[in-house]
Amino acid sequence: LAKTTQPISMDSYEGQEVNITCSHNNIATNDYITWYQQFPSQGPRFIIQGYKTKVTNEVASLFIPADRKSSTLSLPRVSLSDTAVYYCLVGPEGGGNKLTFGTGTQLKVEL
Amino acid sequence: NAGVMQNPRHLVRRRGQEARLRCSPVKGHSHVYWYRQLPEEGLKFMVYLQKENIIDESGMPKERFSAEFPKEGPSILRIQQVVRGDSAAYFCASSPQQGANTEAFFGQGTRLTVV
Repeated sequence: LAKTTQPISMDSYEGQEVNITCSHNNIATNDYITWYQQFPSQGPRFIIQGYKTKVTNEVASLFIPADRKSSTLSLPRVSLSDTAVYYCLVGPEGGGNKLTFGTGTQLKVEL
Repeated sequence: NAGVMQNPRHLVRRRGQEARLRCSPVKGHSHVYWYRQLPEEGLKFMVYLQKENIIDESGMPKERFSAEFPKEGPSILRIQQVVRGDSAAYFCASSPQQGANTEAFFGQGTRLTVV
């Protein structure tokens, strides 16, 4: 499974847009990129998944450049409740049952 | 539609005792995964099960740990003769099919404390 690198922590203020970038230089052709969110004392929660270009849902957007060696999770107008750890994962279709979590990015949102 | 249910939420065991952690997957999901999370660390894969079968246990310690997912009932992660180093949060996830492009639903975890 491709290894991912993301910032350890980020700080933001309510109402701002937050972009968290993840590097995955060794991503394979059939790998998908998935982001999870984890609040303290809770299990991770799926946010968004993509393969290339841009994916958007009601929670976030995921931007993936043509070379797919990185991806950016974009959270529009964050609030205090978005304070959490965000994990970037990459894995192959049909064989990635082992979700490989790194240490993630601790996002802290303040007033 | 209930999500993944884990119980107990908190479990305290003395060294040498056994710990049994239960996980009921989302209704209709036949794939179950167990992960362990130490403080300030990410989740580490332990084992992947389908009904009555262990598919991948490459993340399981070779001794004292076992897992099952019977035809009827919840999945069980069993830790025998617990030691202090087993203290962690144990999360269970389920999915309707295999593959990293499939969303996995996580439970709220069981926090095991070994005293």
